[in-house]
Amino acid sequence: LAKTTQPISMDSYEGQEVNITCSHNNIATNDYITWYQQFPSQGPRFIIQGYKTKVTNEVASLFIPADRKSSTLSLPRVSLSDTAVYYCLVAFFYNQGGKLIFGQGTELSVKP
Amino acid sequence: NAGVTQTPKFQVLKTGQSMTLQCAQDMNHEYMSWYRQDPGMGLRLIHYSVGAGITDQGEVPNGYNVSRSTTEDFPLRLLSAAPSQTSVYFCASRHGSGPSNNEQFFGPGTRLTVL
Repeated sequence: LAKTTQPISMDSYEGQEVNITCSHNNIATNDYITWYQQFPSQGPRFIIQGYKTKVTNEVASLFIPADRKSSTLSLPRVSLSDTAVYYCLVAFFYNQGGKLIFGQGTELSVKP
Repeated sequence: NAGVTQTPKFQVLKTGQSMTLQCAQDMNHEYMSWYRQDPGMGLRLIHYSVGAGITDQGEVPNGYNVSRSTTEDFPLRLLSAAPSQTSVYFCASRHGSGPSNNEQFFGPGTRLTVL
């Protein structure tokens, strides 16, 4: 089971680009890397997922190096509303399905 | 679509009581799961299901039972509530169980307090 490690907290200012790196040294061949965002008193919300290289959507970019032992979530030009906890997950493919195990997450604080 | 719905939103139990947390989804998703989140902590997987009639244990299954008789519903039963089960419970669903189908949709949560 691939374990993920990410910084506990990060600070940023409005308008800056934020990069959150996650380590997953034991990632398996079939595993995908997924990121979620959680605001207080709400359930997590899917942001992006990828297998290798770079993935971009309207919210974020995900960079995955060739060895796939880490990944970086990039949030362009953050605003106060991006203050949240960000979770990196590695999808564990087990028998018929996959367990999505959450780690501790990174608490991002965006300041004016 | 209502998405993932959970009832009740809040619940207070006494130690030893049993209850069922309800979860339903109207997206015809195969995969459903239950998580608990303690204050200041990440989410921990309790049980999950890859389809009707199939369930499996997550990280912290003790004290909880689940069943999946229909695609839509995935209730979580607390057999004998303990103060350690005070937490926020989230239900989630996603379309497939393969390694690329990782977009889970979460419900609003049930805040449970056990006295």
